[in-house]
Amino acid sequence: EAQVTQNPRYLITVTGKKLTVTCSQNMNHEYMSWYRQDPGLGLRQIYYSMNVEVTDKGDVPEGYKVSRKEKRNFPLILESPSPNQTSLYFCASSLRRAYSPLHFGNGTRLTVT
Amino acid sequence: AQKITQTQPGMFVQEKEAVTLDCTYDTSDPSYGLFWYKQPSSGEMIFLIYQGSYDQQNATEGRYSLNFQKARKSANLVISASQLGDSAMYFCAMRDISNFGNEKLTFGTGTRLTIIP
Repeated sequence: EAQVTQNPRYLITVTGKKLTVTCSQNMNHEYMSWYRQDPGLGLRQIYYSMNVEVTDKGDVPEGYKVSRKEKRNFPLILESPSPNQTSLYFCASSLRRAYSPLHFGNGTRLTVT
Repeated sequence: AQKITQTQPGMFVQEKEAVTLDCTYDTSDPSYGLFWYKQPSSGEMIFLIYQGSYDQQNATEGRYSLNFQKARKSANLVISASQLGDSAMYFCAMRDISNFGNEKLTFGTGTRLTIIP
């Protein structure tokens, strides 16, 4: 089944403890991206990648890192999480065609205390 | 800059009735794509339907259709014969499709649809 897989679905951590949210897609998509969703602020793009080893900042990149060493994987790294990074995070991928939608993972609900 | 406006924070609709969710947009891009996503209470984002700015016909996908009025800059989602499983948050989104750079979607604030038995 074609899908974007994120892990974990739920994560509770403490301030300053490094964490990684994994993202993998099995559709051979070139483009991948991370979003966060917050009440009243909607969905905002954190980082994106147009291909292996090509990443760039989105609208809210502060406090996050990404890497794209393989086409299928695009992990999101929080080196020193803070409470304002408590959010619902989505990984997404697409074919990079004009009509191609973004396919989203199931989301990771992160709580930083 | 792109902007999506969804003016209906919430809607209640009787089961089996049709429902229209409003979406207006603003952009200076010559070519753009419009998307609708569904977010159930479980949280995932599910792609429903796509309309390209140069498409001559309105998009349809099963019970979903998109009422695209380019001159009015509106892209309303129509759900026919609503079902209880349609209860969810619905987001309208758009992106520039004139180049293949960042495929960032700009989202609206969403409409929470509740289907009443």
